[in-house]
Amino acid sequence: DADVTQTPRNRITKTGKRIMLECSQTKGHDRMYWYRQDPGLGLQLIYYSFDVKDINKGEISDGYSVSRQAQAKFSLSLESAIPNQTALYFCATSGLGGLTGELFFGEGSRLTVL
Amino acid sequence: TQLLEQSPQFLSIQEGENLTVYCNSSSVFSSLQWYRQEPGEGPVLLVTVVTGGEVKKLKRLTFQFGDARKDSSLHITAAQPGDTGLYLCAGPAYSGAGSYQLTFGKGTKLSVIP
Repeated sequence: DADVTQTPRNRITKTGKRIMLECSQTKGHDRMYWYRQDPGLGLQLIYYSFDVKDINKGEISDGYSVSRQAQAKFSLSLESAIPNQTALYFCATSGLGGLTGELFFGEGSRLTVL
Repeated sequence: TQLLEQSPQFLSIQEGENLTVYCNSSSVFSSLQWYRQEPGEGPVLLVTVVTGGEVKKLKRLTFQFGDARKDSSLHITAAQPGDTGLYLCAGPAYSGAGSYQLTFGKGTKLSVIP
């Protein structure tokens, strides 16, 4: 079983719908992240959390919200999805912060907004 | 803003050939990481380089960190189809409140043709 699990793996929805992407991890890491990947744009940080009571905005947080329900669970919500939020979304964890911490990624959730 | 530029964006080569991909910045990074992402999966860490001039080898892959810690390269010897994937470099960028988060380059998409 994967250490970082994302659900759903694929989702097609319509403009204006509310969408939640869920992430759970068994690595015991405190730090969790949500990234968005678009072709040719690399990975962009949406939100990150250092522990259950800590939520921080990343570089592209507009239109997104997150919830850290437990150490092992971090969900990403799109309150009213729009077509330019069509992308591949990755959850990641890290046991270390700072300058050299390795990120462990889930397998991704592909979201299509029509 | 600390940006990482990767080149080339795309590379298609025959099995057995050698290749080098680059990760450059105008900023100094305390460390750089290289990840490989295979289709349908999340990125996986290959190596972290932390010292200017450092060279690390991982089987047929050789990673080098520039003396000034502004650039890095990845050289693959005798490429194999299993090397196909998206190669991402990443480095810690200051995100405020004393914390650093990884910033990613846009990646080099490598295709190795049998």
